[in-house]
Amino acid sequence: EAGVAQSPRYKIIEKRQSVAFWCNPISGHATLYWYQQILGQGPKLLIQFQNNGVVDDSQLPKDRFSAERLKGVDSTLKIQPAKLEDSAVYLCASSLNRAQETQYFGPGTRLLVL
Amino acid sequence: DQQVKQNSPSLSVQEGRISILNCDYTNSMFDYFLWYKKYPAEGPTFLISISSIKDKNEDGRFTVFLNKSAKHLSLHIVPSQPGDSAVYFCAARSGAGSYQLTFGKGTKLSVIP
Repeated sequence: EAGVAQSPRYKIIEKRQSVAFWCNPISGHATLYWYQQILGQGPKLLIQFQNNGVVDDSQLPKDRFSAERLKGVDSTLKIQPAKLEDSAVYLCASSLNRAQETQYFGPGTRLLVL
Repeated sequence: DQQVKQNSPSLSVQEGRISILNCDYTNSMFDYFLWYKKYPAEGPTFLISISSIKDKNEDGRFTVFLNKSAKHLSLHIVPSQPGDSAVYFCAARSGAGSYQLTFGKGTKLSVIP
């Protein structure tokens, strides 16, 4: 069974530029999560999708971050404009459904904002 | 307000000995607790979980113990192997309605051959 796929693996941009990350969850997984992991911290949830609907985006900085999962499969997370403090690893995870406690993570995208 | 705390940033253990990683939490509404293992430049990998209604769960060399009255859980690895060297994250899931995972800051385990 293929795992969660993410691209790109690394991205370097200058502040005020925009950037987008892509995630393809495990086949059949209805729930998809985006996390931000700052160096030295644990992952922090940004947004949670159930199929193509948002169920929790309370911790997403909506003035600059947006995410979509239009067809209920793959998802895109965008930052526009980026700030220095957005430098982090962005992790995508999926689970069979919201009730399943185990989330499976992708390799992450490491973002550096200069 | 850190709801999940891993107070030891690092731990060193001799190969073959027991590794004990600790985690404390504050929210009594968490219904599941999970441990993830993370190698550099990789995403976290699920290791083992425990429901809040149980006090022990075992999977091979890995055992998780939950003490609800103390709001404390621990991961035991016996025997420890060099390949176990990684960062271990404790996570707790909020119950019905949220199902959100809250992570600790992680503990870096080094198993010395």
